[in-house]
Amino acid sequence: AQSVSQHNHHVILSEAASLELGCNYSYGGTVNLFWYVQYPGQHLQLLLKYFSGDPLVKGIKGFEAEFIKSKFSFNLRKPSVQWSDTAEYFCAVNAGTDSWGKLQFGAGTQVVVTP
Amino acid sequence: GAGVSQSPSNKVTEKGKDVELRCDPISGHTALYWYRQSLGQGLEFLIYFQGNSAPDKSGLPSDRFSAERTGGSVSTLTIQRTQQEDSAVYLCASSSGGYSNQPQHFGDGTRLSIL
Repeated sequence: AQSVSQHNHHVILSEAASLELGCNYSYGGTVNLFWYVQYPGQHLQLLLKYFSGDPLVKGIKGFEAEFIKSKFSFNLRKPSVQWSDTAEYFCAVNAGTDSWGKLQFGAGTQVVVTP
Repeated sequence: GAGVSQSPSNKVTEKGKDVELRCDPISGHTALYWYRQSLGQGLEFLIYFQGNSAPDKSGLPSDRFSAERTGGSVSTLTIQRTQQEDSAVYLCASSSGGYSNQPQHFGDGTRLSIL
């Protein structure tokens, strides 16, 4: 069965610091990859997605992620975080055409940005 | 425009009672998903509807859980004889198609507490 692992459950960093959140998945076929964000008191929102093409994808609010097929990874990055980036971040994988839209989520990473 | 709407936002009930959770997807979205977000468990897929096709029920944890989608729009998730382990946030999402690369739009969820 496919699985999604997020390496950090809780990250605390200062404003202007760089952020990188790890995500690894276990599935050998074609995958579609997503990062979702949940700001305090809000619903899950799509941050960015990868389907095919350029493995470096850019999302909203200055976030980007790089798909490395050989490492089964899809790490999220932001060069300089702001206090408003405090949120929970979820990596999600869909196993291509095998599972239609069904998403497998990682456990989430709670990110706290201090002023 | 209107997003995915879920009701109630909070539900507290006694163990053994039945509950119904409602989801109103974004207008025109043909695919609808239910997920469960439990403390320490992350987000788990429950069930998926796409148009008039038979639903994918592979994520339902037991036969106490069922869901229907009437008229291709509103969906109801029913939990019979609730147990304390059913306590969680139940999230509904919809997408414009059932294909694996269509991003899902999430509602605010129903927080279910079983006493």
